[in-house]
Amino acid sequence: DIQMTQSPSTLSASIGDRVTITCRASQSISSWLAWYQQKPGKAPKLLIYKASSLESGVPSRFSGSGSGTEFTLTISSLQSDDFATYYCQQYNSYVWTFGQGTKVDI
Amino acid sequence: EVQLVQSGAEVKKPGESLRISCEGSGYSFISYWINWVRQMPGKGLEWMVRIDPSNSNTDYSPSFQGHVTVSADKSITTAYLQWSSLETSDTAIYYCARAYSSSSAIDYWGQGTLVTVSS
Repeated sequence: DIQMTQSPSTLSASIGDRVTITCRASQSISSWLAWYQQKPGKAPKLLIYKASSLESGVPSRFSGSGSGTEFTLTISSLQSDDFATYYCQQYNSYVWTFGQGTKVDI
Repeated sequence: EVQLVQSGAEVKKPGESLRISCEGSGYSFISYWINWVRQMPGKGLEWMVRIDPSNSNTDYSPSFQGHVTVSADKSITTAYLQWSSLETSDTAIYYCARAYSSSSAIDYWGQGTLVTVSS
């Protein structure tokens, strides 16, 4: 299976901060990467697909970049609604795998 | 409006069987794969299995193959995940989620079903 490693595991930030989360794949996944946001007690929500495509309805402060094995999710100006856990997920191979998650807190 | 509505929370004993459901509405049920994702208490997301409701083709993660069974009834736009013999380690929230194909991201998720297995 393709292993996905996110860093950091926890990130403390303030409103207005620029936040970057990194996701590394154990082998090349081209651009077949998605980012999800999950709040406590809720289902995950799709933010970014195909590494850099913004899902409809998602604020433009979210952006994704990368290809191959290195990817980043950037929040340009952190808002109160953004405190959550973020997961990357590869869908290059038939067995999908998620990163372990990055919790963004105050 | 696309919706995936899952069955309610379950409390079971080890060794018991269980089937949970996921009803899709607001879209063409046979046009999207249904995936099941596990989230153990306080942990991350694990992809388990996907099913194509149009023909019931399935792909299982090796980690879950043989322990769970997925099925779908397209006539009632519902997918199922079942266990024949639960273990305490099956305690988790299970999400169903749709994706257009095995090469597409998940775009809609169900609300999750909490399964608690305890003696």
